[in-house]
Amino acid sequence: EPEVTQTPSHQVTQMGQEVILRCVPISNHLYFYWYRQILGQKVEFLVSFYNNEISEKSEIFDDQFSVERPDGSNFTLKIRSTKLEDSAMYFCASSAGRSGNTIYFGEGSWLTVV
Amino acid sequence: GESVGLHLPTLSVQEGDNSIINCAYSNSASDYFIWYKQESGKGPQFIIDIRSNMDKRQGQRVTVLLNKTVKHLSLQIAATQPGDSAVYFCAENEPGTYKYIFGTGTRLKVLA
Repeated sequence: EPEVTQTPSHQVTQMGQEVILRCVPISNHLYFYWYRQILGQKVEFLVSFYNNEISEKSEIFDDQFSVERPDGSNFTLKIRSTKLEDSAMYFCASSAGRSGNTIYFGEGSWLTVV
Repeated sequence: GESVGLHLPTLSVQEGDNSIINCAYSNSASDYFIWYKQESGKGPQFIIDIRSNMDKRQGQRVTVLLNKTVKHLSLQIAATQPGDSAVYFCAENEPGTYKYIFGTGTRLKVLA
């Protein structure tokens, strides 16, 4: 069964460092997403990406964050200068269509900022 | 370790019993809903979905009910098994947007 894959599964980084989280969405999907989940909290939407551009983003997704699809298979989330409060599980997801379509999640990348 | 919270509502059921997990959604305009299961340290796993033009949808051992009048969703799991132990989230999709809004989640514990 096709699945969304994410790397790394866990990363520890120092405050102020840049982090890149990587994702390979399901191959025939066209819409890509990043969500995050701070420990003890809800899953929160960060950004959606379609046709090589951001289609929607939340207020969490500030200038420190960026996304890219550098090639035909990878989708990345970059955090430019990490803060302690960026510590969370980051989930990549993909869907075949826009609203009203099931989104499938990866296993997550656990980011710890120290 | 645990990826979801210490203060979630918890439902404890005996193995073999039926479980009912409830969710209140926020936007009356939302037209598509998904139930996800999240096991410890893993990503949300799709269980079942329902569109707003339906009241009920059945899957294998699971049923989702939608009450648009009171903005309420429920997930029924028949003959609950130990492998059903997880946190369950509902998610709503607002029409015309890309994002899904997740509920707070309910932890299901299956007692042997």
